[in-house]
Amino acid sequence: GENVEQHPSTLSVQEGDSAVIKCTYSDSASNYFPWYKQELGKRPQLIIDIRSNVGEKKDQRIAVTLNKTAKHFSLHITETQPEDSAVYFCAARRSPRFFGNEKLTFGTGTRLTIIP
Amino acid sequence: EAGVAQSPRYKIIEKRQSVAFWCNPISGHATLYWYQQILGQGPKLLIQFQNNGVVDDSQLPKDRFSAERLKGVDSTLKIQPAKLEDSAVYLCASSSLTGLAGMAYEQYFGPGTRLTVT
Repeated sequence: GENVEQHPSTLSVQEGDSAVIKCTYSDSASNYFPWYKQELGKRPQLIIDIRSNVGEKKDQRIAVTLNKTAKHFSLHITETQPEDSAVYFCAARRSPRFFGNEKLTFGTGTRLTIIP
Repeated sequence: EAGVAQSPRYKIIEKRQSVAFWCNPISGHATLYWYQQILGQGPKLLIQFQNNGVVDDSQLPKDRFSAERLKGVDSTLKIQPAKLEDSAVYLCASSSLTGLAGMAYEQYFGPGTRLTVT
């Protein structure tokens, strides 16, 4: 089955600096890669996702890059703000079967702390 | 749209007791997932339903965990008997049913049930 590794497990950056979180996956059939943000005691919420037919996607201060050959993808947060402090999870999913949905396999999470 | 609802939000039980969690997915979402999230780890899928059928329960400890989604809407997850290592947050999520191979829809998570087994 799919195995997703995520690094680093903790990350502290100064407010205004950039943060990068990296994930690798094992299943070459995976083609959907979402990133979730989970604040303390709250539910995971999707912040950005990327499909295998593109190499990069950006949404304001957040961007995700994908290297299918190397089987890794990364989350980039620029101009970090205190409200970016949370745990971030990457995930991977295979192409769903016709009229089906495949499961997400999550990484172990990165606790991001923005230092004011 | 209303989100995924779960209850209870918190539960404390002693080991060997039983517990049940309830989930109501977003209206119209055919796929429902139960995840276990142990403190400091990512969510781990326990079981996935499509309508009222089980799609994947390969990581469900079937000797003590059971789940059902009888009418293809609400779902319950039960643990009987509970062990200390079952202490975790149990997250329910739902997503739309894809109609085309290759499409992927967002999973929406509920607030979770925090279970403490003492």
